[in-house]
Amino acid sequence: AQSVAQPEDQVNVAEGNPLTVKCTYSVSGNPYLFWYVQYPNRGLQFLLKYITGDNLVKGSYGFEAEFNKSQTSFHLKKPSALVSDSALYFCAVKTNAGKSTFGDGTTLTVKP
Amino acid sequence: GAVVSQHPSWVICKSGTSVKIECRSLDFQATTMFWYRQFPKQSLMLMATSNEGSKATYEQGVEKDKFLINHASLTLSTLTVTSAHPEDSSFYICSAASGFSYNEQFFGPGTRLTVL
Repeated sequence: AQSVAQPEDQVNVAEGNPLTVKCTYSVSGNPYLFWYVQYPNRGLQFLLKYITGDNLVKGSYGFEAEFNKSQTSFHLKKPSALVSDSALYFCAVKTNAGKSTFGDGTTLTVKP
Repeated sequence: GAVVSQHPSWVICKSGTSVKIECRSLDFQATTMFWYRQFPKQSLMLMATSNEGSKATYEQGVEKDKFLINHASLTLSTLTVTSAHPEDSSFYICSAASGFSYNEQFFGPGTRLTVL
């Protein structure tokens, strides 16, 4: 069975500082990894994904994520946080079977 | 990215009534649609997966007779909550995907259901 862990329920950073939202996964076979963001009372929006190739993936709104196979991690990062980045972030993993497994989500709060 | 719409965005109904939620992929053909339920500050709980023209596959613990899913076309799926009760109150989100399994899902904006 596949699983995703987001060890932090909440991440707080000051505007302008770098941010990291952590994600680790467990899956049989090669993983497809995704990050989504959810704003209040809205559906999820796709940020970025890793399928294969370069371990550093760049996505929307200046976000990036690094795939680390040995640590089975796919942490989301941004060099300089904005207040508007405050939202709920979900990591997800899929395999060829096609069903996504989502983490429990991490609430990011960026303070001015 | 692709656009998925949901209607209605919110609904309030009396206990015992049925509510239908529509999910449409507006600019692509969705071979697979997913229905999720989300409680406050919690992750998404997958309820069922549906492929166009086929019966939906329900997750364990989800009552298929209570949550009726129809995926009649490549752009439309519906979720009907039958004989709704207050415990069915939740935020329901649909998502759509097409093509390869490594493709991302596109999510609708969600429907807030409140059962009085």
